[in-house]
Amino acid sequence: KAGVTQTPRYLIKTRGQQVTLSCSPISGHRSVSWYQQTPGQGLQFLFEYFSETQRNKGNFPGRFSGRQFSNSRSEMNVSTLELGDSALYLCASSPTGTPGTDTQYFGPGTRLTVL
Amino acid sequence: GDSVTQMEGPVTLSEEAFLTINCTYTATGYPSLFWYVQYPGEGLQLLLKATKADDKGSNKGFEATYRKETTSFHLEKGSVQVSDSAVYFCALSVTNFDDKIIFGKGTRLHILP
Repeated sequence: KAGVTQTPRYLIKTRGQQVTLSCSPISGHRSVSWYQQTPGQGLQFLFEYFSETQRNKGNFPGRFSGRQFSNSRSEMNVSTLELGDSALYLCASSPTGTPGTDTQYFGPGTRLTVL
Repeated sequence: GDSVTQMEGPVTLSEEAFLTINCTYTATGYPSLFWYVQYPGEGLQLLLKATKADDKGSNKGFEATYRKETTSFHLEKGSVQVSDSAVYFCALSVTNFDDKIIFGKGTRLHILP
């Protein structure tokens, strides 16, 4: 079974631009979560989608948005990029989105650098 | 709010040494607890988990016991290998209806041959 895939793996943008990151979950998984990883803040939850609906959202500004398609693939978008948005963005999928019973499987991440 | 505190690294040990990485948590409900591992250049992998008090999670020689009385979930391994060098994250989840996981800051582990 193929794992979680994220594209692109590396991205360089300049301040003020916008960016879209993509995540393809494991086949059959309906829950997709996004996390931002930085050296200073560690891993922070961005949002989670289940069956095309956002179920939970972390404490990030409205510049960060996401969506999920009917095939469970998910995208996240960051508009008006700031230097502080430079981070590793991780996507995780699970069958039903219940951490106590399901296992979250993480992708390798997209490394975003904002210049 | 809910949070996870784990010992800061880096932790440097010699091969075959005993490993303990401390983790304590604060949660309003009854959390599930996890240890994730991140090898260089890779995403996170679930190492082990425990879903209720006194449960012991184990995998690849690593163990952690869910201690409700001390709100702890310390990671241990009896004999580490060079291949265990990675960053280890303690984490919790308190909800039953979504996939939000709260992570600790991570502990970098270096194992010397």
